[in-house]
Amino acid sequence: EPEVTQTPSHQVTQMGQEVILRCVPISNHLYFYWYRQILGQKVEFLVSFYNNEISEKSEIFDDQFSVERPDGSNFTLKIRSTKLEDSAMYFCASGQSLYEQYFGPGTRLTVT
Amino acid sequence: AQSVTQPDIHITVSEGASLELRCNYSYGATPYLFWYVQSPGQGLQLLLKYFSGDTLVQGIKGFEAEFKRSQSSFNLRKPSVHWSDAAEYFCAVGARNSGGSNYKLTFGKGTLLTVNP
Repeated sequence: EPEVTQTPSHQVTQMGQEVILRCVPISNHLYFYWYRQILGQKVEFLVSFYNNEISEKSEIFDDQFSVERPDGSNFTLKIRSTKLEDSAMYFCASGQSLYEQYFGPGTRLTVT
Repeated sequence: AQSVTQPDIHITVSEGASLELRCNYSYGATPYLFWYVQSPGQGLQLLLKYFSGDTLVQGIKGFEAEFKRSQSSFNLRKPSVHWSDAAEYFCAVGARNSGGSNYKLTFGKGTLLTVNP
């Protein structure tokens, strides 16, 4: 059964550094998402992506964040200058239609 | 804006006992509702979803959930819990943006289920 995969599973970085979180969505899916979960808090929507552009972003998704689908298979989330409060589990999701979302296992980002 | 409340942070049940996990939502229109499960080190796996029609929906792993509009609830149930059901369970409501071009999930904080032998 096809799955969404994410790499790395755990990323440790220093404050101010750039990080790129990578996702490989299920191959025939058209809709792509990033969510995050700060420890002990809710899973929160960050951004959705369709037809090579952002379709919606939350207030969390400020200018430090960007997403890209560079080669038709990967979907990346870049944080330009990480802050301590960016430490969280980041989940990628994809869907073939607008109303389904299949999640990856997540990347745990630790900013020190 | 939509919201989801899962009142129970942690529930412990004995193996073989029945289970009910509570979920209340707030949403202005007819909601699309979901239950996801997360085992340690794993992603969020979809258990079941409600879009319309029969208010009792069946999911994977023997789970079911009942949509009650009058109570704004979508509680998850299982008649007999197995040790492998120990995990964290998330209820979510889906909503489209005003332009209809996007659909996002709003999650509850989750309920951690412990199963005693």
